[in-house]
Amino acid sequence: GAVVSQHPSRVICKSGTSVKIECRSLDFQATTMFWYRQFPKQSLMLMATSNEGSKATYEQGVEKDKFLINHASLTLSTLTVTSAHPEDSSFYICSLSGKETQYFGPGTRLLVL
Amino acid sequence: AQSVSQHNHHVILSEAASLELGCNYSYGGTVNLFWYVQYPGQHLQLLLKYFSGDPLVKGIKGFEAEFIKSKFSFNLRKPSVQWSDTAEYFCAVTPSTGTYKYIFGTGTRLKVLA
Repeated sequence: GAVVSQHPSRVICKSGTSVKIECRSLDFQATTMFWYRQFPKQSLMLMATSNEGSKATYEQGVEKDKFLINHASLTLSTLTVTSAHPEDSSFYICSLSGKETQYFGPGTRLLVL
Repeated sequence: AQSVSQHNHHVILSEAASLELGCNYSYGGTVNLFWYVQYPGQHLQLLLKYFSGDPLVKGIKGFEAEFIKSKFSFNLRKPSVQWSDTAEYFCAVTPSTGTYKYIFGTGTRLKVLA
């Protein structure tokens, strides 16, 4: 299967700052990537679908101005959490859409102080 | 609304015990079904998937799952668990057509005692 990396793996930031998380496909050209958020002891919640070269599609209840997604190439999608607040602290996971399944990155743990 | 439910949130078993994790879904059309595993500190990995055909599917590491359409269920089984199976298990559903947009269950945390 495809190999997906995320950077950084952990980040701590102050409230009000912006944080960028990168999701890279190392060996697969991904026209579609997904961004999830996982709260402790809860399931993965889909935030948005990232399409290469076009605007992302956000799930209901996800603020697109808060969570900026850019999918500028077939191997890179970025999620920027703008003006982060403590309630944005979570585990963010990206995946890319393969032929029949999704391939997941290792996740990024964000802590906003 | 589309949803996936996993009834067991925490399961503790001794090594060699048999495992069955429940997964039920609610969706008004044809679906594809998946089980993923997340080992501590690692990313989600595909255990097995069902798209069509034989409703009993075999996956990696001795896992299997059975799709029962009438019950909207896709339960995961393993005859004899090992300590290394300690992980979190997620059931997921996607519609059969369109983008593979997953709906995940809440996960089941399995602990296998040596």
